[in-house]
Amino acid sequence: AQTVTQSQPEMSVQEAETVTLSCTYDTSESDYYLFWYKQPPSRQMILVIRQEAYKQQNATENRFSVNFQKAAKSFSLKISDSQLGDAAMYFCAYRSADNYGQNFVFGPGTRLSVLP
Amino acid sequence: DAGVIQSPRHEVTEMGQEVTLRCKPISGHDYLFWYRQTMMRGLELLIYFNNNVPIDDSGMPEDRFSAKMPNASFSTLKIQPSEPRDSAVYFCASSLQAHSGNTIYFGEGSWLTVV
Repeated sequence: AQTVTQSQPEMSVQEAETVTLSCTYDTSESDYYLFWYKQPPSRQMILVIRQEAYKQQNATENRFSVNFQKAAKSFSLKISDSQLGDAAMYFCAYRSADNYGQNFVFGPGTRLSVLP
Repeated sequence: DAGVIQSPRHEVTEMGQEVTLRCKPISGHDYLFWYRQTMMRGLELLIYFNNNVPIDDSGMPEDRFSAKMPNASFSTLKIQPSEPRDSAVYFCASSLQAHSGNTIYFGEGSWLTVV
């Protein structure tokens, strides 16, 4: 079974600065998808960014980018120019591309605080 | 386009009572997931369906929990009898098959308090 680990329970960043959230995963599969989701205090889960494992190029979405290291099974999220609205729980997630067993596996989350 | 719709948004019930949570997935999505979120255990997958068929229910805590998906547009998660330790936020989510569109879309959650 796949597992997702987020080793940083809490992080903080100064407004306008850059922060990187870590995620590692364990799998024996070669084809899969990785995601970062944001959960603000409202509890709504919001997709931040996603990465297909077969793509070598790192995904970017505005101020959000990832560093995907397939061999190391690492998938970190970088938030540039942090804003107060970025304060939230961030979950790393894995999804198999196998025809059987396409559930999403989530990490335990990292709580990000943004300091004014 | 409507997202995943869950009801009720909030429920407070007494221990021993039956609780039914409802979910309407995004139209056309063939995967439906039920998650539970607590401070202690984080986000746990309870069960998921593919084309209305339960694929993996290994996360269902015990026999008090049951889930059904009678058709492509409706699912229920039932707890009978409820206990205080069942207090959590229960999320329903839906998705297309991985190769067709792999993002999972969550509902706003059902906040359950069992007293």
